[in-house]
Order: sequence, then structure tokens, then C-alpha cells
Amino acid sequence: QVKLVQSGAEVKKPGASVKVSCKASGYAFTSYHMYWVRQAPGQGLEWMGIINPSGGSAAYAQKFQGRVIMTRDTSTSTVYMELRSLSSEDTAVYYCARDHDGSGASWFDPWGQGTLVVVSS
Amino acid sequence: EIVLTQSPATLSLSPGERATLSCRASQSVSSYLAWYQQKPGQAPRLLIYDASNRATGIPARFSGGGSGTDFTLTISSLEREDFAVYYCQQRSDWPRTFGRGTRVEFK
Repeated sequence: QVKLVQSGAEVKKPGASVKVSCKASGYAFTSYHMYWVRQAPGQGLEWMGIINPSGGSAAYAQKFQGRVIMTRDTSTSTVYMELRSLSSEDTAVYYCARDHDGSGASWFDPWGQGTLVVVSS
Repeated sequence: EIVLTQSPATLSLSPGERATLSCRASQSVSSYLAWYQQKPGQAPRLLIYDASNRATGIPARFSGGGSGTDFTLTISSLEREDFAVYYCQQRSDWPRTFGRGTRVEFK
């Protein structure tokens, strides 16, 4: 079955960077775009961006432009989300989620289990 | 960006009761709206897509309706496992946006 397994929790200091991974299995990795969504403690869901694992192109929400990079490694079926210049406001659970139908403009299904990133001095 | 407004923020109901959740878009999203369920400590799960289509494995007690700017998620008879937070999300335009959620809690 389709499965997305994310890397473990991270604790970072303000100003640092974090890189979260999302390993996919159970489907053709390069045939489905991947999204990243984050959720601050007790808050709602915020879309961060999308990556096409086939060519590696990515598009980001304006809020994160210049601070986020999404990449992929086709040899390991893994996508990565790196966020730089962290502040306490970046404390959140970060999720990867696959594009539902492979169109690159579909719904988020399924989701990874989430990765907690805590930014604290 | 398209703003999605969910109401109510909290719905207090008992098992067996009917739940009706609302999502209103700041501009038309046609039928490009989905609903997700999130339980504590878990990732969201796709329930309904394209306004009214149940995702794989979703029970028939969940139904979605609406188009344009006004949408509803109905749970016909609440089961204990349905008490959770529900989010709507649009894919009509970029950036993709979510509503702030409706919590369905035990009365």
C-alpha cells in the first residue's frame, strides 16, 4: 500500500535550518507530486509548497519564498523539505502528503505521519 | 488568496446525532473543495473530495455537498470515532488554502 514515512523530531535554535525527509513506498514515486503542509501547535493547516519528483521542479507559497527548498532523491524515493532561518514561529508539525491522482493539482492523500520541529533557544 | 471560513468552530453533539459542518469560500471554487478529518496526534485524512465524492474507505454516513462558495459536510449519525477536527480545503487556485477547522466534540 502507499506509505509515506517521515524523519524524526528535531530541536533547532533560532537562525538554524532544518531538513525533513519523507520516504515514499508502494507506488511509482516519480508519477505523483508531493506537497508539504505544516501545523503550528493547536492551529490549523498551512500549505507550504509542492514538488514534482519527476523533474525536481518545485513551487512555494509566497510566505516561504527564499526560505524553503524542496528536493527529491529518486534513487531512494525520498523528498526533502529544508527550511532556513528558523524562528520560534516555525515550531510546528510538518507533513508531506502525496497528490491524490498524479495530476499535480489534486487533493492531499495520503499523508505522512508528521515531523515535529521545535525552535527554541 | 482564497479564504475558507468554517462554522461553527465547535459542535457539541452526542453519538447517534447528525452533524452539519459549513465551509464558505471568499470566491467561487466551483466544486474543488475537500474535507479532511484529523484526530489528536494523527495526520489529517481525506474524507470527501470534489465537494461530494467519498474517498476510498470512507463510510457512507459521511456526505458532502455544495458548489461555488457554500459547502457542507454531513455526518448522518455520529459514531464515537467521528469526534475529531474537520478541515475544508480548496484546490481551485494557488496557494492551496484550508479553513481553520470545526471541532466535533462530545456533548
